[in-house]
Amino acid sequence: AQSVAQPEDQVNVAEGNPLTVKCTYSVSGNPYLFWYVQYPNRGLQFLLKYITGDNLVKGSYGFEAEFNKSQTSFHLKKPSALVSDSALYFCAVSLMNRDDKIIFGKGTRLHILP
Amino acid sequence: AAGVIQSPRHLIKEKRETATLKCYPIPRHDTVYWYQQGPGQDPQFLISFYEKMQSDKGSIPDRFSAQQFSDYHSELNMSSLELGDSALYFCASSISSTGELFFGEGSRLTVL
Repeated sequence: AQSVAQPEDQVNVAEGNPLTVKCTYSVSGNPYLFWYVQYPNRGLQFLLKYITGDNLVKGSYGFEAEFNKSQTSFHLKKPSALVSDSALYFCAVSLMNRDDKIIFGKGTRLHILP
Repeated sequence: AAGVIQSPRHLIKEKRETATLKCYPIPRHDTVYWYQQGPGQDPQFLISFYEKMQSDKGSIPDRFSAQQFSDYHSELNMSSLELGDSALYFCASSISSTGELFFGEGSRLTVL
């Protein structure tokens, strides 16, 4: 079975500074990895995904994530944080099967301080 | 572009009542998922359908059932509602080959 760990409940970053939201995963095969963002009382919005290929994945709103197979990590990064980036971020994993479900981490609340 | 449509957006029920949530996936998406998100919690997978057949089942109570119809819309039926069923219920759809889920805005169920 697959699982996802987000070790930080909350991350605080000053506006303009780089941000990192951590994610590690555990799967028994090759993973699909995702990051989603959720604003209050809204659905989850897709940010980016890793399936195969280049380990550095670029996504929406200037976010990127690096797949590290040896460390089983998929940390989300952004070079310069904006106040509007403040939201709840979920890392997610699924197996490379046709109809496999996506499993979400517990989420990390990102606060960007003006 | 068309998105996943969920209805109703808000629903208030009494304990032991029944509720039905509807989901209209993005056209040509072949997979529908239902997730439950309690207050301050991560989304928990309930059930999924691939081409109108149930494909996977998660932590869905026996009081809940779901189906996908010929037009690909899906309904989540919840009976004998309990206070703990109060949550945001998300539907998502995908094209199975891409893995990426597109989420609806959610249906907020409040059980009194």
